[in-house]
Amino acid sequence: RKEVEQDPGPFNVPEGATVAFNCTYSNSASQSFFWYRQDCRKEPKLLMSVYSSGNEDGRFTAQLNRASQYISLLIRDSKLSDSATYLCVVPTPNDYKLSFGAGTTVTVRA
Amino acid sequence: NAGVTQTPKFRVLKTGQSMTLLCAQDMNHEYMYWYRQDPGMGLRLIHYSVGEGTTAKGEVPDGYNVSRLKKQNFLLGLESAAPSQTSVYFCASSYSTPGTGPAGTFGSGTRLTVV
Repeated sequence: RKEVEQDPGPFNVPEGATVAFNCTYSNSASQSFFWYRQDCRKEPKLLMSVYSSGNEDGRFTAQLNRASQYISLLIRDSKLSDSATYLCVVPTPNDYKLSFGAGTTVTVRA
Repeated sequence: NAGVTQTPKFRVLKTGQSMTLLCAQDMNHEYMYWYRQDPGMGLRLIHYSVGEGTTAKGEVPDGYNVSRLKKQNFLLGLESAAPSQTSVYFCASSYSTPGTGPAGTFGSGTRLTVV
């Protein structure tokens, strides 16, 4: 089993729609989680950090389900500019290792 | 407002050639990393450094070497390039202890093709 798994998508949604997708992780000891956004042929950029049950930043909401070992990202009122690949990142506790998911691609259409 | 700068941005190598990728950060970060990103896979850690003069192996270190002679620079070397090293390489730096903070700030990447 991979340490971090994501639904690759793509999720094709119209502007204004809500889209949500999950990231599952295998290390039950993981305490912190991150969502990064990566535009085509660009570097990843931090979108949100999740240290407890969840986090909300404007139209973006991240939720953590420790029992089932997954985090989700929900995007409300989707904009064309939200089109990107969203990477789930899970640090390994007490280690320098970061596990990256392969990414979920979201395409918002007009 | 430079952040993390990677050079070169693109490179084509022939099998067996060598090259060095340079990563420079101006944020006084202690931790620096080199990753490679391949289609359908998450970023994988090649080597990392927890401070000037230190380096350590990551998940996929074979075929690569690194050096961190100055705090702001982290060099990644390929001694004898192979087609399997065709990839996009990202450098990142961070202020926080790995595992307690974000993965860091990434450079814009180096697209390397080995033919």
